[in-house]
Amino acid sequence: GAGVSQTPSNKVTEKGKYVELRCDPISGHTALYWYRQSLGQGPEFLIYFQGTGAADDSGLPNDRFFAVRPEGSVSTLKIQRTERGDSAVYLCASSLGTPNYNEQFFGPGTRLTVL
Amino acid sequence: SQQGEEDPQALSIQEGENATMNCSYKTSINNLQWYRQNSGRGLVHLILIRSNEREKHSGRLRVTLDTSKKSSSLLITASRAADTASYFCATDGGDDKIIFGKGTRLHILP
Repeated sequence: GAGVSQTPSNKVTEKGKYVELRCDPISGHTALYWYRQSLGQGPEFLIYFQGTGAADDSGLPNDRFFAVRPEGSVSTLKIQRTERGDSAVYLCASSLGTPNYNEQFFGPGTRLTVL
Repeated sequence: SQQGEEDPQALSIQEGENATMNCSYKTSINNLQWYRQNSGRGLVHLILIRSNEREKHSGRLRVTLDTSKKSSSLLITASRAADTASYFCATDGGDDKIIFGKGTRLHILP
């Protein structure tokens, strides 16, 4: 596609529910990142994929968070037993390779609200 | 945790003036990037400067990097209303994880 897309753009859920957030990276980009951004803060790193494998998941806050990228393109961020503190904008980015020397292209984000 | 720290946190200037934002970081880096974000969504990459570079230009943007002081600055010349946004610096910290600062909120006054 022309850019990184994320769905849904907005998600409202109740505390304790399960949610899935989807990211479609730019075609051909091997690296995919998930970030979380709270109001007034910068994006906070969650997890990085190189191809199908999670190269670094050290930013996932706890075991309620999980992400997959089974075919090396689309990725899904899964949050179990959501809590009000999970409310944030979840951003996805992709790049041609590692971000050391490659620009990241960001999607518009998914705004998650946990009531 | 956030490696980069921008200052000021907020900046208001008159249209046409130059805007300067600074970023400080803690650990060695391979490169430093600046991003712009409008309305809390959709970060846009502005410029990447490598650790062996000291200055880089792109249109009205000028970025400097001082690795000895672990700091960078972003200068926007001849500011326009459309430059109103939040600006973030991001560093790689020597691995593949990109760490963003908290950002500078820039407001261009008409």
